Amino acid sequence: SQQGEEDPQALSIQEGENATMNCSYKTSINNLQWYRQNSGRGLVHLILIRSNEREKHSGRLRVTLDTSKKSSSLLITASRAADTASYFCATDAGRGNTPLVFGKGTRLSVIA
Amino acid sequence: DGGITQSPKYLFRKEGQNVTLSCEQNLNHDAMYWYRQDPGQGLRLIYYSQIVNDFQKGDIAEGYSVSREKKESFPLTVTSAQKNPTAFYLCASSGPSHQPQHFGDGTRLSIL
Repeated sequence: SQQGEEDPQALSIQEGENATMNCSYKTSINNLQWYRQNSGRGLVHLILIRSNEREKHSGRLRVTLDTSKKSSSLLITASRAADTASYFCATDAGRGNTPLVFGKGTRLSVIA
Repeated sequence: DGGITQSPKYLFRKEGQNVTLSCEQNLNHDAMYWYRQDPGQGLRLIYYSQIVNDFQKGDIAEGYSVSREKKESFPLTVTSAQKNPTAFYLCASSGPSHQPQHFGDGTRLSIL
């Protein structure tokens, strides 16, 4: 069952522009995580935001969380060609080490 | 370096054959997971294990089997009952509750 749904499915921007990806989910969560996947590779964790947090920054990444709307956004500022990848949100809704539920991802292309 | 190792990187299966995908981690994580990823899709959970000698079915367990005899290892067998095994398989592990997952670099399975 997929809880997170990313929007848009694909995004193409020029180098230096900002990229915004959105994630909506259905149930209450403990935290929401964003991951990146380069083509043919495993996922790499980017950032985790807890349910009682509204915004979090890590380098050029900014994540917001609106639990009332059950949505999150990932902003990548000043994008680079190396940011080209698929980005997934994942929700942690259970107790203990219950599995994350991943969305289908946004495929970002940054054109140099 | 600590991490997760999946092998082989590419695997081919003949009709009626069982194949086993290896996943080893040296992160001392209790929880391990197997996901299937089809082209352009998100991750779907096959099996997960929160502790040695215990595992649970995920959303798409039919045609797959696992074992967890050691903390470090969580092999996945794709049985002949899985009629559409062609996919990218990802293994992950996680530490204490609600922490991010660490992923291996995947095994791509194809049918001969």
